[in-house]
Amino acid sequence: DVKVTQSSRYLVKRTGEKVFLECVQDMDHENMFWYRQDPGLGLRLIYFSYDVKMKEKGDIPEGYSVSREKKERFSLILESASTNQTSMYLCASSLTSGAHQETQYFGPGTRLLVL
Amino acid sequence: SQQGEEDPQALSIQEGENATMNCSYKTSINNLQWYRQNSGRGLVHLILIRSNEREKHSGRLRVTLDTSKKSSSLLITASRAADTASYFCATERSNDYKLSFGAGTTVTVRA
Repeated sequence: DVKVTQSSRYLVKRTGEKVFLECVQDMDHENMFWYRQDPGLGLRLIYFSYDVKMKEKGDIPEGYSVSREKKERFSLILESASTNQTSMYLCASSLTSGAHQETQYFGPGTRLLVL
Repeated sequence: SQQGEEDPQALSIQEGENATMNCSYKTSINNLQWYRQNSGRGLVHLILIRSNEREKHSGRLRVTLDTSKKSSSLLITASRAADTASYFCATERSNDYKLSFGAGTTVTVRA
């Protein structure tokens, strides 16, 4: 079974703090993703990576950065947390089959509260 | 940007009944996937249907895809209390291969 783990289930931070969210997958997947989930808006893609040291902006990258130094690990960084970044953050990974993505496997999520 | 939209937003049914939810999307796709999310947890993949397929089954789940109408439906037969969750459709767009998720349908199965 694919396992995607996230470093924290719940996190409380103060405005202006630097926040690191870590995600690790154990199935040698090429692709990794960070989403945020807010009520009524579904999942929105923040950043994704299709290989080590590669990253691409998703739909809402402002205020975030990412790091992928190893294939199994994908970190999301909030350089200076703001209250509008209070959200549920979900990490996912997937294999590429030909030119297409296959199923995404999700971690349990990190619920971040910025005060 | 949100590509898929689920309908209805919420659904309440009695245990044993069938639940049907729909997903509409805007641009051409490679595949459409359905995911389930139990309260406060991560998403779990249910089923993937490719753009050249019209219907797919997995256990009590039946998915249809109509590319001419840009729509899909998910049917859960003989629902159980454990089916209480939010259900999301996600489309892999033809032009960029990322998944785009809808806002979800919340299903409540009453005992």
